Amino acid sequence: GEEVAQTPKHLVRGEGQKAKLYCAPIKGHSYVFWYQQVLKNEFKFLISFQNENVFDETGMPKERFSAKCLPNSPCSLEIQATKLEDSAVYFCASTQTDRDGEAFFGQGTRLTVV
Amino acid sequence: AQSVAQPEDQVNVAEGNPLTVKCTYSVSGNPYLFWYVQYPNRGLQFLLKYITGDNLVKGSYGFEAEFNKSQTSFHLKKPSALVSDSALYFCAVRDGGSQGNLIFGKGTKLSVKP
Repeated sequence: GEEVAQTPKHLVRGEGQKAKLYCAPIKGHSYVFWYQQVLKNEFKFLISFQNENVFDETGMPKERFSAKCLPNSPCSLEIQATKLEDSAVYFCASTQTDRDGEAFFGQGTRLTVV
Repeated sequence: AQSVAQPEDQVNVAEGNPLTVKCTYSVSGNPYLFWYVQYPNRGLQFLLKYITGDNLVKGSYGFEAEFNKSQTSFHLKKPSALVSDSALYFCAVRDGGSQGNLIFGKGTKLSVKP
């Protein structure tokens, strides 16, 4: 498709529950990025993939967060045992192979942990 | 380390007046610079980018930005603001030559009054 599709749009979880977010990148884009936008609008980088391989995971809180990009499936970001501080909007973006290509963003998934 | 600074949390402009949203950056290599706009409850929309070449870059919706290497700045400008330009604007940088993630500024809220 010609846009990055993220599902669901909204997700509410009780503290300690699992949350799973999905992202379908634009066809032909080799790189996928996950960002977390918190209340003060700041974007925090979480993880990136080159096709199905992890490219950079320096932003991931590894003890509870995990992510995958498998062939012929949407990419996913999973949070085990959610905490209140995980409440945020999670954005997925994809880019082509070109190094100077702009990133195209999805509409985001708003996660609320109660 | 790469970083982006947007010194103004908010910019207020009257409709029809010129607008400037400021951005300065710090990277170790050549900067690849981007401007994005975010409307409420939406994802980021790409406005323009500087990779190389002419320092004045023209983008979507009448926006332009000027790359200034000596001042390490990439200010966003528009000659005549519209009320519909009111939104959150993000400057971002990527270290040229890498496929790394974008580093975002904290965002500037632009308010255009009739």
